[in-house]
Amino acid sequence: DAKTTQPPSMDCAEGRAANLPCNHSTISGNEYVYWYRQIHSQGPQYIIHGLKNNETNEMASLIITEDRKSSTLILPHATLRDTAVYYCIVRVPPTDKLIFGTGTRLQVFP
Amino acid sequence: SAVISQKPSRDICQRGTSLTIQCQVDSQVTMMFWYRQQPGQSLTLIATANQGSEATYESGFVIDKFPISRPNLTFSTLTVSNMSPEDSSIYLCSVEGRTGGDEQFFGPGTRLTVL
Repeated sequence: DAKTTQPPSMDCAEGRAANLPCNHSTISGNEYVYWYRQIHSQGPQYIIHGLKNNETNEMASLIITEDRKSSTLILPHATLRDTAVYYCIVRVPPTDKLIFGTGTRLQVFP
Repeated sequence: SAVISQKPSRDICQRGTSLTIQCQVDSQVTMMFWYRQQPGQSLTLIATANQGSEATYESGFVIDKFPISRPNLTFSTLTVSNMSPEDSSIYLCSVEGRTGGDEQFFGPGTRLTVL
C-alpha cells in the first residue's frame, strides 16, 4: 500500500508558485521521498527526491519537515505545461520499489 | 539519464489472446520494473525483473498471467496472457538510475485495449 496521502486536485495561476503537500507519517528513517509527475498519456517524469534536507533543482524545490512526516513540492513559477498529476512516493530500500499513491492533479490556469 | 523504448506503443487485442510487450534500454541496468495503469488510476507495480533470476511479483499478480523475461541487462518483456477486457491498461517499464537513491526512469508505456 502507498505510504503517502495527497489532495486529489489543486489549481494554480500561471506564474505563481504551486505548493503541493504530501503526508507520509509512517515513513522510516532510511526511506526517501520522491516526486514524479505524469503529463497525460506519458510515462512518469522524475522531479526531485530527498531524505532529510531540503532539496532544489532546476525543476522544483522539496521541503521536508523536521520530523519527516510531511513534505511540500514547490514549483516556483508554474506554467501551463506544468499541468499534470503529481505523485509523492516513499521509496523503500533495498528493493528500490516505487509504490505510487493516488497523486494530486494540478491544473495551471492562465 | 536512461532512454527507454517500448514496443508496441499501443495495441487492440481480442479476448483470450496474449500480447508480449518489449522494453529496451540504452544502457545496462540491474533492476527493471513493470507497472500497470488502469484507466483513470495511478500506477501499480506488477513485478521487479532482475537479470539472471526469476521476477519478483507483487501481491495480486502471478507469473502465469504476467510472465516476464529478462535475458540481458538492457532488455525485458512482459506478456499479458489470456487477456480479458479488465486487462485494458497502460503498461510501463521503468529502470533504476544510478545506485544510491537516485531516480528511476520510465518508458513511454504500451496502451492495451482488449475487446
